[in-house]
Amino acid sequence: NAGVTQTPKFRILKIGQSMTLQCAQDMNHNYMYWYRQDPGMGLKLIYYSVGAGITDKGEVPNGYNVSRSTTEDFPLRLELAAPSQTSVYFCASSYPPSGGLQTSTDTQYFGPGTRLTVL
Amino acid sequence: GESVGLHLPTLSVQEGDNSIINCAYSNSASDYFIWYKQESGKGPQFIIDIRSNMDKRQGQRVTVLLNKTVKHLSLQIAATQPGDSAVYFCAESYSSYKLIFGSGTRLLVRP
Repeated sequence: NAGVTQTPKFRILKIGQSMTLQCAQDMNHNYMYWYRQDPGMGLKLIYYSVGAGITDKGEVPNGYNVSRSTTEDFPLRLELAAPSQTSVYFCASSYPPSGGLQTSTDTQYFGPGTRLTVL
Repeated sequence: GESVGLHLPTLSVQEGDNSIINCAYSNSASDYFIWYKQESGKGPQFIIDIRSNMDKRQGQRVTVLLNKTVKHLSLQIAATQPGDSAVYFCAESYSSYKLIFGSGTRLLVRP
Protein backbone atom coordinates (compact mmCIF):
# COMPACT_ATOMS: atom_id res chain seq x y z
CA ASN A 1 0.00 0.00 0.00
CA ALA A 2 1.92 3.04 -1.28
CA GLY A 3 -0.57 5.64 0.00
CA VAL A 4 -0.48 8.90 -1.95
CA THR A 5 2.21 9.20 -4.61
CA GLN A 6 3.23 12.26 -6.60
CA THR A 7 5.43 12.77 -9.64
CA PRO A 8 7.68 14.47 -10.45
CA LYS A 9 9.46 15.39 -7.22
CA PHE A 10 11.10 18.47 -8.74
CA ARG A 11 10.50 20.46 -11.93
CA ILE A 12 11.74 23.71 -13.44
CA LEU A 13 9.53 25.40 -16.03
CA LYS A 14 9.96 28.43 -18.20
CA ILE A 15 7.27 31.10 -18.21
CA GLY A 16 4.43 30.07 -20.50
CA GLN A 17 5.22 26.37 -20.51
CA SER A 18 2.65 23.81 -19.44
CA MET A 19 2.89 20.67 -17.38
CA THR A 20 0.86 18.12 -15.47
CA LEU A 21 1.56 17.15 -11.88
CA GLN A 22 0.55 13.56 -11.27
CA CYS A 23 -1.13 12.24 -8.13
CA ALA A 24 -2.33 8.74 -7.38
CA GLN A 25 -3.68 6.98 -4.30
CA ASP A 26 -4.25 3.28 -3.70
CA MET A 27 -6.42 3.56 -0.57
CA ASN A 28 -9.73 3.68 -2.47
CA HIS A 29 -10.41 7.15 -1.09
CA ASN A 30 -13.23 9.07 -2.69
CA TYR A 31 -11.95 12.53 -1.84
CA MET A 32 -8.78 14.02 -3.32
CA TYR A 33 -7.22 17.46 -3.01
CA TRP A 34 -4.48 19.66 -4.43
CA TYR A 35 -2.72 22.21 -2.25
CA ARG A 36 0.11 24.63 -2.76
CA GLN A 37 2.51 25.69 -0.04
CA ASP A 38 4.56 28.87 -0.32
CA PRO A 39 7.55 29.53 1.98
CA GLY A 40 6.47 30.52 5.49
CA MET A 41 2.85 29.75 4.76
CA GLY A 42 0.35 27.03 5.38
CA LEU A 43 -1.29 25.01 2.65
CA LYS A 44 -3.86 26.58 0.37
CA LEU A 45 -6.47 24.48 -1.40
CA ILE A 46 -6.37 24.72 -5.20
CA TYR A 47 -8.93 22.13 -6.31
CA TYR A 48 -10.65 19.13 -4.80
CA SER A 49 -12.72 16.20 -5.97
CA VAL A 50 -15.36 14.20 -4.10
CA GLY A 51 -15.35 11.36 -6.59
CA ALA A 52 -14.60 10.33 -10.14
CA GLY A 53 -16.00 12.85 -12.60
CA ILE A 54 -16.57 15.53 -9.96
CA THR A 55 -14.20 18.43 -9.28
CA ASP A 56 -14.57 21.82 -7.64
CA LYS A 57 -12.51 24.95 -6.98
CA GLY A 58 -10.73 25.65 -3.72
CA GLU A 59 -9.25 28.92 -2.45
CA VAL A 60 -6.69 29.53 -5.23
CA PRO A 61 -7.82 27.82 -8.48
CA ASN A 62 -6.70 30.44 -11.01
CA GLY A 63 -4.09 29.17 -13.44
CA TYR A 64 -4.81 25.50 -12.76
CA ASN A 65 -7.08 22.76 -14.02
CA VAL A 66 -7.86 19.28 -12.79
CA SER A 67 -9.62 16.14 -13.93
CA ARG A 68 -10.76 13.02 -12.13
CA SER A 69 -11.45 10.23 -14.57
CA THR A 70 -10.72 7.46 -12.04
CA THR A 71 -10.90 7.09 -8.27
CA GLU A 72 -7.14 6.60 -8.08
CA ASP A 73 -5.79 9.52 -10.12
CA PHE A 74 -6.12 13.28 -9.76
CA PRO A 75 -3.73 15.19 -12.07
CA LEU A 76 -3.18 18.94 -11.78
CA ARG A 77 -2.56 20.87 -14.98
CA LEU A 78 -0.72 24.18 -15.36
CA GLU A 79 -1.42 25.58 -18.82
CA LEU A 80 0.67 28.78 -18.89
CA ALA A 81 3.21 28.69 -16.11
CA ALA A 82 3.90 31.97 -14.28
CA PRO A 83 6.52 32.84 -11.64
CA SER A 84 3.69 33.20 -9.10
CA GLN A 85 3.12 29.46 -9.43
CA THR A 86 6.53 28.68 -7.99
CA SER A 87 5.64 26.64 -4.94
CA VAL A 88 5.53 23.18 -3.42
CA TYR A 89 2.45 21.24 -4.46
CA PHE A 90 0.85 18.58 -2.29
CA CYS A 91 -1.83 16.10 -3.20
CA ALA A 92 -3.99 14.53 -0.49
CA SER A 93 -6.84 12.06 -0.19
CA SER A 94 -9.47 11.13 2.37
CA TYR A 95 -12.64 9.20 2.98
CA PRO A 96 -15.92 11.12 2.77
CA PRO A 97 -17.04 13.00 5.88
CA SER A 98 -18.08 10.58 8.59
CA GLY A 99 -20.51 12.75 10.49
CA GLY A 100 -20.73 11.43 14.02
CA LEU A 101 -18.41 8.47 13.45
CA GLN A 102 -14.75 8.20 14.26
CA THR A 103 -12.91 11.37 13.32
CA SER A 104 -9.97 9.56 11.81
CA THR A 105 -11.92 8.72 8.65
CA ASP A 106 -11.97 12.43 7.79
CA THR A 107 -8.21 12.68 7.93
CA GLN A 108 -6.42 13.80 4.80
CA TYR A 109 -3.32 11.81 3.86
CA PHE A 110 -0.67 13.69 1.96
CA GLY A 111 1.81 12.80 -0.74
CA PRO A 112 5.50 13.79 -0.57
CA GLY A 113 5.06 16.92 -2.69
CA THR A 114 6.31 18.35 -5.99
CA ARG A 115 8.62 21.35 -5.92
CA LEU A 116 7.93 23.55 -8.95
CA THR A 117 10.04 26.52 -9.99
CA VAL A 118 8.94 28.81 -12.81
CA LEU A 119 11.67 31.01 -14.26
CA GLY B 1 15.04 18.20 1.29
CA GLU B 2 12.64 21.07 0.73
CA SER B 3 12.80 23.76 3.37
CA VAL B 4 9.35 24.72 4.61
CA GLY B 5 8.52 27.82 6.53
CA LEU B 6 11.70 29.92 6.43
CA HIS B 7 10.12 32.69 8.50
CA LEU B 8 7.84 30.75 10.79
CA PRO B 9 7.52 31.43 14.51
CA THR B 10 9.82 29.05 16.32
CA LEU B 11 9.48 27.22 19.60
CA SER B 12 12.73 25.91 21.05
CA VAL B 13 12.54 23.33 23.84
CA GLN B 14 14.95 21.12 25.73
CA GLU B 15 14.77 17.42 25.00
CA GLY B 16 12.56 15.78 27.60
CA ASP B 17 10.53 18.91 28.35
CA ASN B 18 6.90 19.33 27.37
CA SER B 19 6.03 21.45 24.35
CA ILE B 20 2.91 23.53 23.80
CA ILE B 21 2.12 24.81 20.31
CA ASN B 22 -0.74 27.24 19.96
CA CYS B 23 -3.08 28.08 17.13
CA ALA B 24 -5.83 30.64 16.72
CA TYR B 25 -8.48 29.59 14.24
CA SER B 26 -10.63 31.92 12.24
CA ASN B 27 -14.12 30.52 11.79
CA SER B 28 -16.43 30.15 14.78
CA ALA B 29 -18.49 27.69 12.69
CA SER B 30 -15.57 25.29 12.28
CA ASP B 31 -16.40 21.91 13.74
CA TYR B 32 -13.33 19.81 13.05
CA PHE B 33 -9.69 20.50 13.79
CA ILE B 34 -6.48 18.67 12.96
CA TRP B 35 -2.83 18.97 13.86
CA TYR B 36 -0.28 18.00 11.24
CA LYS B 37 3.47 17.57 11.52
CA GLN B 38 5.66 18.37 8.53
CA GLU B 39 9.30 17.39 8.33
CA SER B 40 11.61 18.96 5.81
CA GLY B 41 11.03 17.62 2.32
CA LYS B 42 7.91 15.67 3.25
CA GLY B 43 4.18 16.08 3.14
CA PRO B 44 2.13 16.86 6.26
CA GLN B 45 1.57 13.90 8.54
CA PHE B 46 -1.56 13.51 10.67
CA ILE B 47 -0.96 13.76 14.43
CA ILE B 48 -4.31 14.14 16.15
CA ASP B 49 -7.75 15.59 15.55
CA ILE B 50 -10.70 16.83 17.57
CA ARG B 51 -14.32 17.72 16.93
CA SER B 52 -16.00 20.82 18.28
CA ASN B 53 -18.14 18.82 20.72
CA MET B 54 -14.97 17.96 22.65
CA ASP B 55 -12.56 20.10 24.70
CA LYS B 56 -9.69 17.67 24.94
CA ARG B 57 -8.37 14.61 23.18
CA GLN B 58 -5.33 12.56 23.99
CA GLY B 59 -3.11 10.42 21.85
CA GLN B 60 0.27 8.86 22.38
CA ARG B 61 2.38 11.63 23.96
CA VAL B 62 0.16 14.28 22.39
CA THR B 63 -2.90 16.14 23.66
CA VAL B 64 -5.07 18.59 21.78
CA LEU B 65 -7.07 21.21 23.67
CA LEU B 66 -9.89 23.19 22.11
CA ASN B 67 -11.24 26.45 23.52
CA LYS B 68 -14.17 27.48 21.37
CA THR B 69 -14.87 30.61 23.41
CA VAL B 70 -11.65 32.25 22.24
CA LYS B 71 -11.21 30.15 19.08
CA HIS B 72 -7.96 28.65 20.29
CA LEU B 73 -6.38 25.27 19.71
CA SER B 74 -3.25 23.89 21.32
CA LEU B 75 -1.05 20.86 20.85
CA GLN B 76 0.84 19.53 23.83
CA ILE B 77 3.72 17.14 23.29
CA ALA B 78 4.96 15.31 26.36
CA ALA B 79 8.64 14.47 26.86
CA THR B 80 9.68 16.11 23.59
CA GLN B 81 12.20 14.13 21.56
CA PRO B 82 14.61 15.15 18.78
CA GLY B 83 12.36 13.37 16.29
CA ASP B 84 9.60 15.83 17.16
CA SER B 85 11.53 18.65 15.49
CA ALA B 86 9.37 19.76 12.56
CA VAL B 87 6.85 22.37 11.48
CA TYR B 88 3.42 21.92 13.04
CA PHE B 89 0.23 23.11 11.38
CA CYS B 90 -3.26 23.34 12.72
CA ALA B 91 -6.16 23.08 10.30
CA GLU B 92 -9.87 23.78 10.68
CA SER B 93 -12.89 22.64 8.75
CA TYR B 94 -16.57 23.52 8.75
CA SER B 95 -17.63 21.03 6.10
CA SER B 96 -15.51 18.05 7.16
CA TYR B 97 -13.66 17.71 3.89
CA LYS B 98 -12.21 21.15 3.12
CA LEU B 99 -9.40 22.13 5.48
CA ILE B 100 -8.11 25.66 6.13
CA PHE B 101 -4.51 25.57 7.32
CA GLY B 102 -2.76 27.93 9.70
CA SER B 103 0.70 29.27 8.89
CA GLY B 104 2.60 26.85 11.12
CA THR B 105 5.06 26.81 14.01
CA ARG B 106 8.57 25.39 13.86
CA LEU B 107 9.52 23.21 16.82
CA LEU B 108 13.24 22.86 17.56
CA VAL B 109 14.33 20.32 20.16
CA ARG B 110 17.67 21.02 21.82
CA PRO B 111 19.67 17.94 22.86
